[in-house]
Amino acid sequence: DIQMTQSPSSLSASVGDRVTITCRASQSISTYLNWYQQEPGKAPKLLIFAASSLQSGVPSRFSGSGSGTDFTLTISSLQPEDFATYYCQQSYSSPYIFGQGTKLEIK
Amino acid sequence: QVQLQESGPGLVKPSETLSLTCTVSGGSISRYYWSWLRQPPGKGLEWIAYIYYSGSTNYNPSLKSRVTVSVDTSKNQFSLKMNSVTAADTAVYYCAKDMRSVYDVHRGWFDPWGQGTLVTVSS
Repeated sequence: DIQMTQSPSSLSASVGDRVTITCRASQSISTYLNWYQQEPGKAPKLLIFAASSLQSGVPSRFSGSGSGTDFTLTISSLQPEDFATYYCQQSYSSPYIFGQGTKLEIK
Repeated sequence: QVQLQESGPGLVKPSETLSLTCTVSGGSISRYYWSWLRQPPGKGLEWIAYIYYSGSTNYNPSLKSRVTVSVDTSKNQFSLKMNSVTAADTAVYYCAKDMRSVYDVHRGWFDPWGQGTLVTVSS
């Protein structure tokens, strides 16, 4: 199985901050990496697919980059509604494993 | 706009079978892949299985021996059965549209998701 490791596990930031979350795969997954946002009590929401493609309707302050084993999700200017948990997920090979999550909290 | 809704018992006894159905509305289940995922309380996300509208499946090896997924195109539904459940299977179960295609199986991102249903395994 391909293991996915996110860092940090939690992060405190302020509105307006630029934030970067990292996801590392245990082997190369090309650009088959996806990012989700999950608010408390809600289903995950797709933000970024194929490492850097912004899902329709997602604000442009979200961006993704990377290939191979190292990937990043960047939020350019945090908004109050961005405080949530973020997950990466590899779609290179089954089983389609998620990272453990990064909880983004208000400082 | 496709919408998904999970349904099924919220409480299952240990050693019994968990059964859930996902109803797809706003679009046809045909020609697409569909997945089941779950999230134990306070924990991360786990992919369980996917099914193509034709009935072909792929299971997470960690659950494969206990899980069966099926599709009913006439009802625009797909289903999950998990047998021999234990407390470790207590989770919110989600169904989702799986964006892979027969031409690119790597397009395995999930969108949209159902709202999720909590299944508790307890006597």
